[in-house]
Amino acid sequence: GAVVSQHPSWVICKSGTSVKIECRSLDFQATTMFWYRQFPKQSLMLMATSNEGSKATYEQGVEKDKFLINHASLTLSTLTVTSAHPEDSSFYICSATGGKSYGYTFGSGTRLTVV
Amino acid sequence: KQEVTQIPAALSVPEGENLVLNCSFTDSAIYNLQWFRQDPGKGLTSLLLIQSSQREQTSGRLNASLDKSSGRSTLYIAASQPGDSATYLCAVRNYGGSQGNLIFGKGTKLSVKP
Repeated sequence: GAVVSQHPSWVICKSGTSVKIECRSLDFQATTMFWYRQFPKQSLMLMATSNEGSKATYEQGVEKDKFLINHASLTLSTLTVTSAHPEDSSFYICSATGGKSYGYTFGSGTRLTVV
Repeated sequence: KQEVTQIPAALSVPEGENLVLNCSFTDSAIYNLQWFRQDPGKGLTSLLLIQSSQREQTSGRLNASLDKSSGRSTLYIAASQPGDSATYLCAVRNYGGSQGNLIFGKGTKLSVKP
């Protein structure tokens, strides 16, 4: 089945530094990738949608200069949290799909803690 | 605007019991509906995907139904086991819009007691 690999699974960083999270589709070409954020005991909140080779589309309220998304190939998307602050601490999950008739495959998530 | 509701929010059952999780959505114009499982601190695992033209999908002890006209889906789990304990999320993929993203319910937290 379709597999999406997300790394790192957890990261602790100092306030003010930047963190990059990678999301790779291992056995299919992901025309679209999505980045979600999940707070404790809450459902997933879509942050942005990225299509290969084009700029990401951000959800309302998500700062595009803070959460940089690059989708340079059909198998790789990255999310960079720039100048991280403690309030950015959260669980970040990516997902990928090969097209509208396909389901979504999710990565295993990244626990970000900013200290 | 599509809204997805899952009932109940939490469910506790003894091992071996059959159970049903419910999902409802307000806009029937969907590509498909997907059920996921999420374990604490983990990503989402896809359980079943039902296309809008389908009525149900089965995988092992799981059966998911879809009634698009009434905006409802159910996930039936037969002979529940403690390992089934997790949060189950229902999500629909809409027509229209530039993103085609999934709209999630808030989930049902299932606890199966040995």
